[in-house]
Amino acid sequence: QKEVEQDPGPLSVPEGAIVSLNCTYSNSAFQYFMWYRQYSRKGPELLMYTYSSGNKEDGRFTAQVDKSSKYISLFIRDSQPSDSATYLCAMNGRGSYIPTFGRGTSLIVHP
Amino acid sequence: DADVTQTPRNRITKTGKRIMLECSQTKGHDRMYWYRQDPGLGLQLIYYSFDVKDINKGEISDGYSVSRQAQAKFSLSLESAIPNQTALYFCATSDPGGPADTQYFGPGTRLTVL
Repeated sequence: QKEVEQDPGPLSVPEGAIVSLNCTYSNSAFQYFMWYRQYSRKGPELLMYTYSSGNKEDGRFTAQVDKSSKYISLFIRDSQPSDSATYLCAMNGRGSYIPTFGRGTSLIVHP
Repeated sequence: DADVTQTPRNRITKTGKRIMLECSQTKGHDRMYWYRQDPGLGLQLIYYSFDVKDINKGEISDGYSVSRQAQAKFSLSLESAIPNQTALYFCATSDPGGPADTQYFGPGTRLTVL
């Protein structure tokens, strides 16, 4: 079993839908939780990060961490076709400089 | 100009050939990484380097080697390419003082081994 599990999808939703992307993990030492977005034929780029538990909001995006359940989520409100991409979760522990990535979830937002 | 560049962007080679993928960065970061990405498998770490004199194996280093020529340059070599090394390869950098050790990725090199 991988340390970080993420459903590869694809997840197909209509424009305007609320999207929920999720990852589970097994390593209780993880403290930094990140979401990267990767467009087709591009490298991943950091979308959001959170430290420890709680929520963080940035525009239409909300990152949520539940350390007790070892479960993280990324919510996208009012999804747009331009949100179509692969979303990778990543996480690491304090003092660990190598993140562990999930496999990525492919999201398709159709007009 | 892009902060992390990779050359070539696409490469087709034959089994047994030696090839080199190059990465350059202008971000001034000491830490550099090489990953491969396969459909459905996500990113797998091949090698990483925390400074010019530091080289470390990642989870899938067999069949690969690296060279850190300078702070800004980190090359990945396939000594004798085989078809299952067909993948998308990414170079990345990180700043230990940055948030959550954010990784900054290059645009990738699509490698096909026939």
